[in-house]
Amino acid sequence: AQSVAQPEDQVNVAEGNPLTVKCTYSVSGNPYLFWYVQYPNRGLQFLLKYITGDNLVKGSYGFEAEFNKSQTSFHLKKPSALVSDSALYFCAVRDSVNQGGKLIFGQGTELSVKP
Amino acid sequence: DGGITQSPKYLFRKEGQNVTLSCEQNLNHDAMYWYRQDPGQGLRLIYYSQIVNDFQKGDIAEGYSVSREKKESFPLTVTSAQKNPTAFYLCASSTRTSGNQETQYFGPGTRLLVL
Repeated sequence: AQSVAQPEDQVNVAEGNPLTVKCTYSVSGNPYLFWYVQYPNRGLQFLLKYITGDNLVKGSYGFEAEFNKSQTSFHLKKPSALVSDSALYFCAVRDSVNQGGKLIFGQGTELSVKP
Repeated sequence: DGGITQSPKYLFRKEGQNVTLSCEQNLNHDAMYWYRQDPGQGLRLIYYSQIVNDFQKGDIAEGYSVSREKKESFPLTVTSAQKNPTAFYLCASSTRTSGNQETQYFGPGTRLLVL
């Protein structure tokens, strides 16, 4: 079965420190991976995606993600966290088998950046 | 949230009542999706449509219905058969390609509460 796991419900980081939000996946075929961010009572905003090519993907707001095929991971990173980065982050993988290419989401990781 | 609008922002449902959530997009996207978000569970697919006048059930379609009469619009009806409708509902859209690589963009969401 295809799935996404975000092993940490919450990540706490001090402002200015690097941050990592973890994601692992299990898919059939090529993985198409996405990261979204959600602020309270808002929709999801697209950050970045991995389709093919370089394992390091750069996205919006200074975020990047590293695709690691051997570890089936797609961790989200940022070199220097901002208080405004505090939000709920979702990793997702595209269903490559059925259901019209729906996104399969992880349960989300709450990122808290303290001043 | 791009060119996707959802209304209303908050919706209250009485027992036995059907309610309809609106989703409109001006992105000229072929595919549209409805997801339900519950705390700690990520997002789950309710229905999706890849083209006008066609739609398919997702993972949790029971108690919901949709229509796709226009490319721009994909309304979701929460029927009285849905016994636990309290949730945050998110609409998304994407272009439609054969490779499933396209990004889904989300609307701002509708929060449904039961009176």
